[in-house]
Amino acid sequence: EDKVVQSPLSLVVHEGDTVTLNCSYEVTNFRSLLWYKQEKKAPTFLFMLTSSGIEKKSGRLSSILDKKELFSILNITATQTGDSAVYLCAVKPNTGNQFYFGTGTSLTVIP
Amino acid sequence: GAVVSQHPSWVICKSGTSVKIECRSLDFQATTMFWYRQFPKQSLMLMATSNEGSKATYEQGVEKDKFLINHASLTLSTLTVTSAHPEDSSFYICSVRAAGVLHEQYFGPGTRLTVT
Repeated sequence: EDKVVQSPLSLVVHEGDTVTLNCSYEVTNFRSLLWYKQEKKAPTFLFMLTSSGIEKKSGRLSSILDKKELFSILNITATQTGDSAVYLCAVKPNTGNQFYFGTGTSLTVIP
Repeated sequence: GAVVSQHPSWVICKSGTSVKIECRSLDFQATTMFWYRQFPKQSLMLMATSNEGSKATYEQGVEKDKFLINHASLTLSTLTVTSAHPEDSSFYICSVRAAGVLHEQYFGPGTRLTVT
């Protein structure tokens, strides 16, 4: 059965800390892995990863994929209160339209 | 980037009534739209895939007669929750897959449904 597992489920840090969010997957015929940020409303797209070892970076956020070990990490450095959100990981297989979502990691950044 | 709208953003209805939620693709033609449901503190669960001009494909466990999907044009899909019950209260999100964009989907802002 295809599945995506994220850890930790929740995390509370202080402003300025660095956090690492994990996403592991078991999906047949992997195509891509996507990270989203969800604050109260619908998710907003962060990164899409298709190749192992190539880091994607956007400001204080970065992400990398390991297709051999079947996981991805999302790093956030120098966290700010505005980073507080649920971070979702989703995997897209080669066939079909389905995106498999993890349960998300709830991040709270306290001042 | 792509813009997807949903209407209404928030709705309260009485048990037994039906509610229609619209999902519109504003920037491009969407041959495929997805409907997700998200309960509090849970992840998105795909309910159905809506294909323009054909019947929607429902995920296992989703009642097609209860959640009616119509994708009559390339920019509009609707989800009707029929005979709503309190357990249908949830956050409903649509997303759009643009033609030629294989992997990315653009989410609408979501509709929060509360059934009393």
